[in-house]
Amino acid sequence: AQTVTQSQPEMSVQEAETVTLSCTYDTSESDYYLFWYKQPPSRQMILVIRQEAYKQQNATENRFSVNFQKAAKSFSLKISDSQLGDAAMYFCAYRGGADGLTFGKGTHLIIQP
Amino acid sequence: KAGVTQTPRYLIKTRGQQVTLSCSPISGHRSVSWYQQTPGQGLQFLFEYFSETQRNKGNFPGRFSGRQFSNSRSEMNVSTLELGDSALYLCASTKGTQISNTEAFFGQGTRLTVV
Repeated sequence: AQTVTQSQPEMSVQEAETVTLSCTYDTSESDYYLFWYKQPPSRQMILVIRQEAYKQQNATENRFSVNFQKAAKSFSLKISDSQLGDAAMYFCAYRGGADGLTFGKGTHLIIQP
Repeated sequence: KAGVTQTPRYLIKTRGQQVTLSCSPISGHRSVSWYQQTPGQGLQFLFEYFSETQRNKGNFPGRFSGRQFSNSRSEMNVSTLELGDSALYLCASTKGTQISNTEAFFGQGTRLTVV
């Protein structure tokens, strides 16, 4: 079974600074997708960024980018120029061929003004 | 375009009762998945439906069941409720089940409290 591990239960960063959230996963599949979801206090899960495993290039969405290391099974999220609205729980998630999303336990991101 | 709609938003039930939650996916999306979120276990996959058929199921007891209608709307049912079933239940819709169509859009969830 696939597993997703987020080793940082909580991270804190100053507004306008850069923060990196870590995620590792374990799988024997070769074709899969990785995602970062944001869950603010409203509890609505919002897709931040996704990465296709067969693509070498790291995905980027505005201030959000990933560092995807397939051999190391690592998928970290970098948030540049952190804003107060970025404060939320961030979940790393994996989707292979047959099952639904497998989520990590989440990282609570605090933005200090 | 309208997002994923889950009803009701909040629910309080008594142990032993049963409950039905509803999810309407984004128009054109044919796959619906359900997840349970609790502080202790985090987010766990319940099941996925596509074209009215259950495609796969997570590791939950048989008290948890679901179905999907021809218009892609889905319901999940929990029978003989236990205190541990208290959770946020999230529904997600995707266009299909091919791995290339796996961008999931979530509803706001149903907060179920069992007393």
